Amino acid sequence: GIQVEQSPPDLILQEGANSTLRCNFSDSVNNLQWFHQNPWGQLINLFYIPSGTKQNGRLSATTVATERYSLLYISSSQTTDSGVYFCAVFKSGGGADGLTFGKGTHLIIQP
Amino acid sequence: DGGITQSPKYLFRKEGQNVTLSCEQNLNHDAMYWYRQDPGQGLRLIYYSQIVNDFQKGDIAEGYSVSREKKESFPLTVTSAQKNPTAFYLCASSIGGGQSETQYFGPGTRLLVL
Repeated sequence: GIQVEQSPPDLILQEGANSTLRCNFSDSVNNLQWFHQNPWGQLINLFYIPSGTKQNGRLSATTVATERYSLLYISSSQTTDSGVYFCAVFKSGGGADGLTFGKGTHLIIQP
Repeated sequence: DGGITQSPKYLFRKEGQNVTLSCEQNLNHDAMYWYRQDPGQGLRLIYYSQIVNDFQKGDIAEGYSVSREKKESFPLTVTSAQKNPTAFYLCASSIGGGQSETQYFGPGTRLLVL
């Protein structure tokens, strides 16, 4: 099956810093999503981005499908950005279809 | 408000007991999903339903069962055959079951074994 690797696994930054999170995947995909999991466990959709670049406020994402990676950029970090960031890709065929998740990047923003 | 609700928030299971986790959505989505999350890990797919009265096993379906009798409801039963059920369970839905659809998640249920 498809493999999803995220880096770095942990990241500690000061408030105001910028960060780049990476997601590599092992096969071509038609669906890639970035999520933020808050401390209460809620998964919040950030981007649906199978290719190209999108921006939403201080967050932006770029997926280069031909090279099988996606990047999530967080600028001017705030303490509320803390949590775990997941990349997930869609796996189809061979049974049930659903998202395959990476193990996440645990981000801590210190005041 | 439109969204996905899961209940209960916390659930305790005794050895040998079956328990059922509820997932309801009022988004008029056709597809619904159940995922399991273990500490420090990503989510793994348990079951998936693309339409009422139809569902498919995911990567870790053993010890679980589901039903899809109504479009808005997709309950998950954790049976006594699931030997390690302690985990965080998340339900999701999407407009359709196609790979280009965005999935939206509920708040989750934490299951603990006594």
